[in-house]
Amino acid sequence: KAGVTQTPRYLIKTRGQQVTLSCSPISGHRSVSWYQQTPGQGLQFLFEYFSETQRNKGNFPGRFSGRQFSNSRSEMNVSTLELGDSALYLCASSDRDRGNGYTFGSGTRLTVV
Amino acid sequence: DAKTTQPNSMESNEEEPVHLPCNHSTISGTDYIHWYRQLPSQGPEYVIHGLTSNVNNRMASLAIAEDRKSSTLILHRATLRDAAVYYCILSFTILKTSYDKVIFGPGTSLSVIP
Repeated sequence: KAGVTQTPRYLIKTRGQQVTLSCSPISGHRSVSWYQQTPGQGLQFLFEYFSETQRNKGNFPGRFSGRQFSNSRSEMNVSTLELGDSALYLCASSDRDRGNGYTFGSGTRLTVV
Repeated sequence: DAKTTQPNSMESNEEEPVHLPCNHSTISGTDYIHWYRQLPSQGPEYVIHGLTSNVNNRMASLAIAEDRKSSTLILHRATLRDAAVYYCILSFTILKTSYDKVIFGPGTSLSVIP
């Protein structure tokens, strides 16, 4: 069974630009969650999607957005990048509607210069 | 959001057992207790989970207090590859209609001494 795939693995962007990150969940998993991880703040919850609907949202500004497609693949977008957005962005998929936990991807390392 | 508290760091000698504690005094009756660990430069990986009874798998054991307000992850023989940050989290409730946020605390950074 293929794992959670995140692309790209590494990304360098300039302040003010926007970026789109992609996550392909495990086949059959309908829930996709996104987390931002920085050394200072740890794992911070961004949002969760289930069946193309946002179910939960963390405390991030509106520059952070996401969506989920009918095949459960998800994208997150960050507009007007700031230096502080440099982080590891992790995607986790689950069939949590059956009470199961997460499988994480390896993440996308975003560096904003 | 259900919260957990864990020690910031712990040390263990190689090949000795490790007991990683977690307090979750506000746990609801329908919350599972999950443990994940994150090795350097990787995403978190699932370790074990339980609801009320103690659980064992090939990676670890999970001991859950009778009142469910605390739990302990037990690594029976620590190896250098077990050095990681260990997270104890709640949610993934058995209630299929509930979708609380899954919040990760800072976790416990485990160092294994050769």
